[in-house]
Amino acid sequence: DTGVSQDPRHKITKRGQNVTFRCDPISEHNRLYWYRQTLGQGPEFLTYFQNEAQLEKSRLLSDRFSAERPKGSFSTLEIQRTEQGDSAMYLCASSGRGVSNEQFFGPGTRLTVL
Amino acid sequence: GQQLNQSPQSMFIQEGEDVSMNCTSSSIFNTWLWYKQDPGEGPVLLIALYKAGELTSNGRLTAQFGITRKDSFLNISASIPSDVGIYFCAGQLGNEKLTFGTGTRLTIIP
Repeated sequence: DTGVSQDPRHKITKRGQNVTFRCDPISEHNRLYWYRQTLGQGPEFLTYFQNEAQLEKSRLLSDRFSAERPKGSFSTLEIQRTEQGDSAMYLCASSGRGVSNEQFFGPGTRLTVL
Repeated sequence: GQQLNQSPQSMFIQEGEDVSMNCTSSSIFNTWLWYKQDPGEGPVLLIALYKAGELTSNGRLTAQFGITRKDSFLNISASIPSDVGIYFCAGQLGNEKLTFGTGTRLTIIP
């Protein structure tokens, strides 16, 4: 399978704990995006990498959130001191180097904060 | 964050019927995309549109990029049970973030 993969698929944690999610993009893609989706809403942009450089961060990304893509391949999204309002589906997408900007999504990580 | 206006919010149709949904924005985009999402899964890309006025088909799906660059529509012909799900439009400028619509939930009545 050469699609975008995310791990874990589900995470249940207690309020105040730290969590980390991983995204592996399609191998030839140099751009990687993180989105958050709450129930009944469309995905909302969090942050975007081109290779290892983080080029844009949404104001939704509070200082408890940090994302990295150290070698320009996989990426991690960490949430520190989780709050119940962080409960959501966290989606990763990647897109390629060419003219086509189509973003392909992974299956998501469902976070539940108790 | 900003979400595009998508209508209708939900549709209840019988198998075999045609479906039409649209998406409008207050700002222009260079690319419009349509995704389908099943419960508990990530969105799956259906169609991408790159030029104002462009009409593109993918099997039973047809989508158009509005001439003003502020809207798009998606048609599904002869619906089948596997068309059930939530459809999202998304607008994009350059290589940047996608701005998604609020979604249209499609249900097929037996």
